[in-house]
Amino acid sequence: QKEVEQNSGPLSVPEGAIASLNCTYSDRGSQSFFWYRQYSGKSPELIMFIYSNGDKEDGRFTAQLNKASQYVSLLIRDSQPSDSATYLCAVMRGGGGNKLTFGTGTQLKVEL
Amino acid sequence: GAVVSQHPSRVICKSGTSVKIECRSLDFQATTMFWYRQFPKQSLMLMATSNEGSKATYEQGVEKDKFLINHASLTLSTLTVTSAHPEDSSFYICSASWGRGNQPQHFGDGTRLSIL
Repeated sequence: QKEVEQNSGPLSVPEGAIASLNCTYSDRGSQSFFWYRQYSGKSPELIMFIYSNGDKEDGRFTAQLNKASQYVSLLIRDSQPSDSATYLCAVMRGGGGNKLTFGTGTQLKVEL
Repeated sequence: GAVVSQHPSRVICKSGTSVKIECRSLDFQATTMFWYRQFPKQSLMLMATSNEGSKATYEQGVEKDKFLINHASLTLSTLTVTSAHPEDSSFYICSASWGRGNQPQHFGDGTRLSIL
């Protein structure tokens, strides 16, 4: 079992729709959860982070965390073609010195 | 805020050359910097973790004599690929974070290394 699992996709959504990206993790010692966006040929860019159970909203993005189910998700409202990228889920174990464990990423395609 | 600058962005050089890549945190003090490598259509692979003033911690399978890491200050880390060969061609990305827990990593723009 991979430590951080994501569906590789591609996930295709029409412009204006809600894109839902999911991630599960195996280490119950994980305390911090991050979503990065990576455009093809570019480096990852931090989108959101969440530490506590529940929802955290930032503009069109909402991160959701359920530690009991070891599940974290990212919702993108009003999806735009510019949101087309690979989204990386990353988890950080407490006391790990900020070291991240990444999933393999989900490719999102927002179609006109 | 949290800007990480990485140079050069692209390097093309002959086999046997040593290549140095710099990673700088521009607006914060980076207690920890990380070096990753990414091959096309693959996930990020952590190579090593470096803390200012101490030796880098390398991931299993990464040759420390091949990939020399120096983290001389709280704003600068360097990765030197020694005697590079074509199989070292890859996208190298650094990241930096501050504090000792639960802080996000902020990534540089990456260096695309091509060894002929």
